[in-house]
Amino acid sequence: SQTIHQWPATLVQPVGSPLSLECTVEGTSNPNLYWYRQAAGRGLQLLFYSVGIGQISSEVPQNLSASRPQDRQFILSSKKLLLSDSGFYLCAWSRESAEAFFGQGTRLTVV
Amino acid sequence: GQNIDQPTEMTATEGAIVQINCTYQTSGFNGLFWYQQHAGEAPTFLSYNVLDGLEEKGRFSSFLSRSKGYSYLLLKELQMKDSASYLCAVRDSNTDKLIFGTGTRLQVFP
Repeated sequence: SQTIHQWPATLVQPVGSPLSLECTVEGTSNPNLYWYRQAAGRGLQLLFYSVGIGQISSEVPQNLSASRPQDRQFILSSKKLLLSDSGFYLCAWSRESAEAFFGQGTRLTVV
Repeated sequence: GQNIDQPTEMTATEGAIVQINCTYQTSGFNGLFWYQQHAGEAPTFLSYNVLDGLEEKGRFSSFLSRSKGYSYLLLKELQMKDSASYLCAVRDSNTDKLIFGTGTRLQVFP
């Protein structure tokens, strides 16, 4: 069976510090991978989308970047965090055209 | 582009039936998904519609009309544990991206 791991679960970081959130998928190959952000009480905003190694689609201009160094690994990064980067970050995977499955999420608080 | 609309909040009584609507406008359509999200948790998959009609899964049913750009999620025999946010999402056939609406927060009262 397929599983998705996302860590850490919670993170408190000072403004201006770097960020690295990691997501890995097991039990499948060549998944579509997603990073979403959810502000408190709001919907999911698609940040990055990847259909293969090194193929990243950025949805909104922002302070974040994503990389896919391996087939089942998706990394969300920032060089310098802003207060507005606080939120609930969710990694997800799907097979082409099928439903997406989410990791546990990372609650990021920038202070 | 994509536009997905849902009501922000709804309330209902335990044991009742509630219908959560979702309207969408996308450049290409390849399926509509419903997710449930409890506070502080990740969304979990509920249902999938790609053809017109009703899909039933236990107490939950989802309906799709592609010509109207419309879907609804029907929850029967409501239980307190059904209090959650319900997210409508559409897959864009041109990009294969999964785009979410803002979600509907449902509160079930005794």
